[in-house]
Amino acid sequence: ELKVEQNPLFLSMQEGKNYTIYCNYSTTSDRLYWYRQDPGKSLESLFVLLSNGAVKQEGRLMASLDTKARLSTLHITAAVHDLSATYFCAVDHASGTYKYIFGTGTRLKVLA
Amino acid sequence: NAGVMQNPRHLVRRRGQEARLRCSPMKGHSHVYWYRQLPEEGLKFMVYLQKENIIDESGMPKERFSAEFPKEGPSILRIQQVVRGDSAAYFCASSPGFDQPQHFGDGTRLSIL
Repeated sequence: ELKVEQNPLFLSMQEGKNYTIYCNYSTTSDRLYWYRQDPGKSLESLFVLLSNGAVKQEGRLMASLDTKARLSTLHITAAVHDLSATYFCAVDHASGTYKYIFGTGTRLKVLA
Repeated sequence: NAGVMQNPRHLVRRRGQEARLRCSPMKGHSHVYWYRQLPEEGLKFMVYLQKENIIDESGMPKERFSAEFPKEGPSILRIQQVVRGDSAAYFCASSPGFDQPQHFGDGTRLSIL
C-alpha cells in the first residue's frame, strides 16, 4: 500500500527564519504535488513536480523532488505570517494514474 | 474561467437522513474525482468517474455511499442514512484527462447532528 508521510506534522516558527518540510513516499511515482490549505478552505495548488531533480520556486517557497530517494522537500525562506497554513504533499498512486495519495499535512504557524 | 464548483458549501443533516453533494467540473474537464477529508487529516480518494461511468470506486465505503456523473448535469455524491462518522469535508476535483493535474473545488462541509 502506498504511503505518504510528512514531517513535521506541526511547525511553529518565527518570522524571518528558514525551514524545510519533508515528504516521503513508499513506492515508485514520478509526480508529486504540493498544496496549501487555509482553515475551512480548499486546496491551492503550489507546485507540480514531474521528474527527478525537478526544482520549482515561487516567492518564499521552493520545492524539489528526488524520485530515487522518494523524497520531496518544501523549503521556506524568511517566513512571513501570511505563510501560516497547512501544507500537503500528494503523490500519484502509480505513474500516470489518477489516484492521488495525500500526506497527513504539516500545519505551519509563523509567529510575528 | 469558472473553477470546480461544489454545492452546497455547508450541509447539516440529522442521523438517518440523506446527503447529496454536487460537483460541476471545470469547463472542458470530463474526469471527476471525489475525496474525503476528516478533521486534522489529509484527503483520501473515494471515487473516480467519467461521464456516465464509474472508473474506480475503491475508496468508497461499501454501503450507503454512491456516486454518479450523468451525461448532463453535475456529479453527485450521495450518502444515505448518514451517521456521525460521515461528518467531514468532501472535495471534488476535475481534470481534462486521467493523467492531467487535478483542480479542486472549495469542498462541502457535512455535519451530522
